[in-house]
Amino acid sequence: SQQGEEDPQALSIQEGENATMNCSYKTSINNLQWYRQNSGRGLVHLILIRSNEREKHSGRLRVTLDTSKKSSSLLITASRAADTASYFCATDASGSQGNLIFGKGTKLSVKP
Amino acid sequence: DAGITQSPRYKITETGRQVTLMCHQTWSHSYMFWYRQDLGHGLRLIYYSAAADITDKGEVPDGYVVSRSKTENFPLTLESATRSQTSVYFCASSGEELRVGLYNQPQHFGDGTRLSIL
Repeated sequence: SQQGEEDPQALSIQEGENATMNCSYKTSINNLQWYRQNSGRGLVHLILIRSNEREKHSGRLRVTLDTSKKSSSLLITASRAADTASYFCATDASGSQGNLIFGKGTKLSVKP
Repeated sequence: DAGITQSPRYKITETGRQVTLMCHQTWSHSYMFWYRQDLGHGLRLIYYSAAADITDKGEVPDGYVVSRSKTENFPLTLESATRSQTSVYFCASSGEELRVGLYNQPQHFGDGTRLSIL
């Protein structure tokens, strides 16, 4: 049962450009989290935004949350080749007992 | 070093065999999880545990068994492996105290076990 759906599935940009990834979900949530996965590695937590928050920043990352539209976006500014990875949103949907439900991810490629 | 480690990193086995994947964390986190990651499906929760001796099913538990006799370890066993269980398996942990609850807690992942069943 997929809760979060990322869009686009794949994104290719040049170093220095901004990258925007979107996540839509279906049911009410307590929070939404974004994770990064480098090839052959586990997921790394990037940022958590609570349902009563609208925007959150962490370094070059900016996350927005629109609970009325059930959507979130992750913006990576001034991208670097090292940002090349897959990015996943995860939500703890109602009835999930607090467990996270992950989307299928956006594969970001940043070309030097 | 503190962290979460999975072993083995790679495993090839045959259908019908029993396989156990190990997961060890050094943070004393209450919650531990097992996911499988497959192309086209993303990450799917197999089992999770809220504390030692407390486990519960996730989205895809069939064919898997877990145990948690100690807080730091959460092994996953495939009792009779099938080809459909070929996947990358990730263990994760979260939270310091059961009473804090799972909400608003990030999860910390191991680097995965790539399992091939022939």
